[in-house]
Amino acid sequence: EVQLVEAGGGLVQPGGSLRLSCVASGFTFSTYWMSWVRQAPGRGLEWVANIRQDGGDKYYVDSVKGRFTISRDNTENSLFLQMNSLRADDTALYYCVRGGGSFDSWGQGTLVTVSS
Amino acid sequence: DIQMTQSPSSLSASVGDRVTIACRASQSISSHLIWHQQKPGKAPKLLIYAACNLQSGVPSRFSGSGSGTDFTLTISSLQPEDFATYYCQQNNSIPRTFGQGTKVEVK
Repeated sequence: EVQLVEAGGGLVQPGGSLRLSCVASGFTFSTYWMSWVRQAPGRGLEWVANIRQDGGDKYYVDSVKGRFTISRDNTENSLFLQMNSLRADDTALYYCVRGGGSFDSWGQGTLVTVSS
Repeated sequence: DIQMTQSPSSLSASVGDRVTIACRASQSISSHLIWHQQKPGKAPKLLIYAACNLQSGVPSRFSGSGSGTDFTLTISSLQPEDFATYYCQQNNSIPRTFGQGTKVEVK
């Protein structure tokens, strides 16, 4: 069974940083693109970033370019999202998702709240 | 960026009803269209990929159609567990984009 377990969310002040992590199990992690998708409270879904199997290609939504960095460690079956210069509009539930575009498995999400 | 527009934004229906949700892309995406279902407090779940292919384990009452810019999700006979929000999503280009969602509510 595919499992994706996120961690690292929390309350952070505007301008602060957080590092999200996601541990994958139940599939061969190193053979899949992976993504982060977020959902602001009461709002719809927004793709944030994705990363190729070997970490060589990474793509971001414009609103996070230069502030967020996606990475992975295939030896640890782990996906990461380093978030810097956080803003109030980054407040959301962040999902770890299998796939680069066909999002076929989702974690339960980790909540990031940016507030003073 | 490709904009995805769903209609309606919400609908009220009864168990047994046939429900249709439309999704329009701002430019052609061929058949690179995915439908997700999200229930309150839960993560989304992929229902249909490549516009018309049912994900494994998804009931056959769900179907998808369309290509180019216009797509449809149909639930042939609405069941109690189908009351949820449905999102279309394009998988044709970066950035990946979602429709705003269609909430299916009890009539």
